[in-house]
Amino acid sequence: DVKVTQSSRYLVKRTGEKVFLECVQDMDHENMFWYRQDPGLGLRLIYFSYDVKMKEKGDIPEGYSVSREKKERFSLILESASTNQTSMYLCASSTPGTGFHEQYFGPGTRLTVT
Amino acid sequence: GNSVTQMEGPVTLSEEAFLTINCTYTATGYPSLFWYVQYPGEGLQLLLKATKADDKGSNKGFEATYRKETTSFHLEKGSVQVSDSAVYFCALSTLSNNAGNMLTFGGGTRLMVKP
Repeated sequence: DVKVTQSSRYLVKRTGEKVFLECVQDMDHENMFWYRQDPGLGLRLIYFSYDVKMKEKGDIPEGYSVSREKKERFSLILESASTNQTSMYLCASSTPGTGFHEQYFGPGTRLTVT
Repeated sequence: GNSVTQMEGPVTLSEEAFLTINCTYTATGYPSLFWYVQYPGEGLQLLLKATKADDKGSNKGFEATYRKETTSFHLEKGSVQVSDSAVYFCALSTLSNNAGNMLTFGGGTRLMVKP
């Protein structure tokens, strides 16, 4: 069964802290994605990675960085958390290619920055 | 650029009522269209898809038809159940050079079905 797991379901951090969100997939997918989900705005892409150590910025990369040292793991890093980064963060993975390839999503991490 | 607009919720219906959630899009090229569903406490799941004009995607009693002339992909179900209560996202995909399909999502519509 396809599985994308995220390290925490709920996280509370203080302003200025460095925050790590971890995502692991067991499907041997090349592509991995980080989105944030906010009411009325849907999902917005922060970063994606199409191979180990390869990454590209999405639509809203400011204030975030990512790390992909192993194929199955993709980390989102908030270098200095701010209150406007309070959100739901969703990780996804897929295989590449020009045909249709479904993105599989993890359950999300709800981050609150106080 | 690409964008997806869907009706704001919440949509509240009684069990067995007819459901329509409107979705329109703006895209360069010829995108594929999707509906994803997010049940409480879970991640998104693909509900249905359509890859070309006049295609009808269907799954679990839900249907949506790719209408190129009106740039729409409205979600319908003839008789909703309490278990359909969830957030529904319309999305389109375009190709990136590196990662294949890239998704652009609408804002999401929360559906609440009362017994």
